[in-house]
Amino acid sequence: ETGVTQTPRHLVMGMTNKKSLKCEQHLGHNAMYWYKQSAKKPLELMFVYSLEERVENNSVPSRFSPECPNSSHLFLHLHTLQPEDSALYLCASSQATSGSYNEQFFGPGTRLTVL
Amino acid sequence: GENVEQHPSTLSVQEGDSAVIKCTYSDSASNYFPWYKQELGKRPQLIIDIRSNVGEKKDQRIAVTLNKTAKHFSLHITETQPEDSAVYFCAGGGLERFNKFYFGSGTKLNVKP
Repeated sequence: ETGVTQTPRHLVMGMTNKKSLKCEQHLGHNAMYWYKQSAKKPLELMFVYSLEERVENNSVPSRFSPECPNSSHLFLHLHTLQPEDSALYLCASSQATSGSYNEQFFGPGTRLTVL
Repeated sequence: GENVEQHPSTLSVQEGDSAVIKCTYSDSASNYFPWYKQELGKRPQLIIDIRSNVGEKKDQRIAVTLNKTAKHFSLHITETQPEDSAVYFCAGGGLERFNKFYFGSGTKLNVKP
């Protein structure tokens, strides 16, 4: 599959569970992002990775733990989540070049429900 | 950090009419403003963007205007069609290495046939 893929597409978990979201980009990009999309709220930037180094953490609770083992893969490890964490989690990638902006390409998202 | 506000939250127009969505931003250092369209159940996709050295940009039926002094920018869609129905997000960002954007809350556009 081309572009940005995410698995699973849907996830239901209890508050005591541990799960992981996976994102893979096939575009040769060097930056990857995690966003949270809740109803009637802006897309919230959670984490930014550039060249496998985390360069941004927007005050995200420690129950969300990102991992970027290489430039094509990005994970979001989840543990002891709360019901208010239920949302659509979107991954994106781009070719981040100093001095210019390039389009972010989004994945289809993982719809997460925390019971 | 940047704060982007977007209005209206919902917009309903008749097919063929124009639609305008407005956004404001707070950080005068922001100099790049993309617009994304998200159809129901699909991922956001870039439809148009504008850089701060330009006041207006047009691509067929869509155009974006930017007023740096007032710190607001707008999306204009002319001759709307039912397939334009979607949620539209504006975003603002500075010229940094990591393409970091701050998004507005979205506008749900409904084009009635």
